Parts: sequence; C-alpha cells; structure tokens
Amino acid sequence: ELKVEQNPLFLSMQEGKNYTIYCNYSTTSDRLYWYRQDPGKSLESLFVLLSNGAVKQEGRLMASLDTKARLSTLHITAAVHDLSATYFCADRDYGGSQGNLIFGKGTKLSVKP
Amino acid sequence: EAQVTQNPRYLITVTGKKLTVTCSQNMNHEYMSWYRQDPGLGLRQIYYSMNVEVTDKGDVPEGYKVSRKEKRNFPLILESPSPNQTSLYFCASSPHPDSYEQYFGPGTRLTVT
Repeated sequence: ELKVEQNPLFLSMQEGKNYTIYCNYSTTSDRLYWYRQDPGKSLESLFVLLSNGAVKQEGRLMASLDTKARLSTLHITAAVHDLSATYFCADRDYGGSQGNLIFGKGTKLSVKP
Repeated sequence: EAQVTQNPRYLITVTGKKLTVTCSQNMNHEYMSWYRQDPGLGLRQIYYSMNVEVTDKGDVPEGYKVSRKEKRNFPLILESPSPNQTSLYFCASSPHPDSYEQYFGPGTRLTVT
C-alpha cells in the first residue's frame, strides 16, 4: 500500500522560531509536492520538487527532497503568524496510471506571538 | 482570470437522491481531478482525467462517477448518495499531471442525511 506520512500532525510554534515538517513516502517517485491550506479555504501549490537533492525556497519556507531516504522536509525559518495553516505533502503513484496523487494527512501549524 | 469553479459550493441532500457537482476550468488544462477531504484522513483522490474521454480511478472511487466530454468540464456524479459521502470536495486542474501549476477549486461542502 502506498503511503505518505507527515509528522508532526499538529505544531504550535512561537513567532521567530524555526521548525521542520517531515514527509516520508513509500514509492520510488523522484518528485514530491507541497501544498498549503488556510482554514476554510482551498489548497494552494507551494513547491514541486522534481529530483533527488532538489531544494526550493520561498520566503520563510524551504523544501528539500531526498529520494534515497524517501523523505522530504519543509523547513520554517523565523516563523510569523501569517504562516499559520495546514501543510500537505503529496506523492504521485506511478505504479498504475500517472495521475493518482496521494496526500499526507497534513500538518496543522499554529504560530503564536 | 485563471480559475477553477465548482458548483454548488454547499449542498445538503438526502440519501439516494442523485446529484452532480460541476467543475470547470478556463485554462485549457489537460489534467483534472476530484478529491475529497475528511478530518483525520486528509485528501484522497476520487477520479482523475488525463484528457477528454480519458478518466481513471483514484484511491476512493466507489459510489462516484465522472465524465470528461469537454476539456474544460469534469463533473462529479453521485448516483445514490449515502451519508458516508458527506465530505468536502475539491476539483483541481493542471496543464499536465506533473505540472507545478496545480489549481484547486474553492470546494463543495456536501452533507448527505
């Protein structure tokens, strides 16, 4: 069974602190996706990591991919309240057809002053 | 404005009464998909379509049907809704399956009593 596991599922941080969200996946995929969802809203694409060693950064968020370890990380630097949201990683199932996207359960991030 | 639209946004219905949730995109995207989001389970893919007349099952297709007669539209059909289909549904589209640019619709909150 294909799995995408995130941890932690809940994260309460203080502003200014750093933290990392981990995403383990079970496929042999060489790409990984990160999304953000604000409360009551739809999902927004953050990053797509296309190869081993890929690193992408936008603002205070940096994502990386290690395909050998089947691990992606989303690092938060000097958190601010605006980053409060739920973050999902997703992997694509290439075993059957190309289209099946498998999401982790999400990490709900709360940044407190 | 590039967007994915869904209708209705909210729907309360009764068991067994057929319903259709429409999804439309104005970006000429080839790839479209449907997800359901449930607390504690994250997002799960229901069906996806690589192009017109090409559809395939995702992780949780039971109880749902889709069609892709035109590139822009990808309706989700519940022939005989049941309470376990109460959920938040998202439609998404992208130029191709691996594209970074994946656009999600605003969501449809369905309650089946």
